Amino acid sequence: NAGVTQTPKFQVLKTGQSMTLQCAQDMNHEYMSWYRQDPGMGLRLIHYSVGAGITDQGEVPNGYNVSRSTTEDFPLRLLSAAPSQTSVYFCASSRLAGADTQYFGPGTRLTVL
Amino acid sequence: GNSVTQMEGPVTLSEEAFLTINCTYTATGYPSLFWYVQYPGEGLQLLLKATKADDKGSNKGFEATYRKETTSFHLEKGSVQVSDSAVYFCALRGGGSNYKLTFGKGTLLTVNP
Repeated sequence: NAGVTQTPKFQVLKTGQSMTLQCAQDMNHEYMSWYRQDPGMGLRLIHYSVGAGITDQGEVPNGYNVSRSTTEDFPLRLLSAAPSQTSVYFCASSRLAGADTQYFGPGTRLTVL
Repeated sequence: GNSVTQMEGPVTLSEEAFLTINCTYTATGYPSLFWYVQYPGEGLQLLLKATKADDKGSNKGFEATYRKETTSFHLEKGSVQVSDSAVYFCALRGGGSNYKLTFGKGTLLTVNP
């Protein structure tokens, strides 16, 4: 099992550009989520999904879109990047929404100039 | 809503010293409590968990006890090693259908030889 994989590892964007952060898991997990990690802020939930075709907003959803067309993939889209979106982004998955253990990917470090 | 407050860092210790990282929480109902660890350049990993009052979670020499009366889940280790240098996050998941994780801000631990 590869676990949770994220691409790219690093990305630099200019303000206004769009991009998609990829996340995939091969553990047949139903629950997937995206967090951003900022210094002194811990991890904050952006969007989450309890299964294919179902997504919902977390704590800080503005400026981000998600979709979940398959169980394996949960891409995060930035439609018009802003410097405030400079952060490290983590994708996580768990067997079910209420499962105790979440498995995290290695992260994507995004810089918006 | 749910919240987690953990000890501000950074914490710097010598090898074999005793470690305590304080964590307190606010939640309705009966939350589950977690400690996650993030090693440099990696995603988060579950370190230990406790799902009900008076439970003790333990792993790799680390321990934490779920204290409902003081709403606390302090992380302890009797003798730290250089390899324990990492960022430690306290987190909770609300009970019932409130399954989203709420994280503390993280505590950076550096252990010197």
